[in-house]
Amino acid sequence: AQTVTQSQPEMSVQEAETVTLSCTYDTSESDYYLFWYKQPPSRQMILVIRQEAYKQQNATENRFSVNFQKAAKSFSLKISDSQLGDAAMYFCAYFTGANSKLTFGKGITLSVRP
Amino acid sequence: EAGVVQSPRYKIIEKKQPVAFWCNPISGHNTLYWYLQNLGQGPELLIRYENEEAVDDSQLPKDRFSAERLKGVDSTLKIQPAELGDSAVYLCASSRGGLNTEAFFGQGTRLTVV
Repeated sequence: AQTVTQSQPEMSVQEAETVTLSCTYDTSESDYYLFWYKQPPSRQMILVIRQEAYKQQNATENRFSVNFQKAAKSFSLKISDSQLGDAAMYFCAYFTGANSKLTFGKGITLSVRP
Repeated sequence: EAGVVQSPRYKIIEKKQPVAFWCNPISGHNTLYWYLQNLGQGPELLIRYENEEAVDDSQLPKDRFSAERLKGVDSTLKIQPAELGDSAVYLCASSRGGLNTEAFFGQGTRLTVV
């Protein structure tokens, strides 16, 4: 079974600084997708960034980028130039077409200090 | 394009009472998910539909939970009777299915059982 592990329950970053959120996963599949979702207090899950496992290049979306290490099964999210609006829970998630199931980690609460 | 719509946003009921949640996915999305999210945790899959067929309901507690997706569009999740431990957020998500993996989430229903 696939598992997603986010070992840091909370992190804090100073506004305008950079922060990295960690995620590891376990799978026997070779083809899958990885995601980072943001969940603000409104509860709406918002997709931040997506990475296809077959792509070696790390995905980037504006201030958000990932460090995808397939052999190590590691998928970290880097937020550059942190903004107050980045404060939220962030979830790492795994998806495989084998069962079309989106599996989430426990999440990390990110706070941004002004 | 309208997003995933869930109702109600909040529900407070007494234990042993029934409750139902409704979800209208994005038009054209064949895959529909119901997730349970406990406080401070990541979402956990309850059931996944491909059109009107429930293809993964292995995590649905069938003694008290039921779901349906008539005509392969909107869906209803029901709990009868509710227990105190059912207090949580119930999230609905949809995707086009197949290789298009991005799931879009509704704002969820926060259920409180007293």
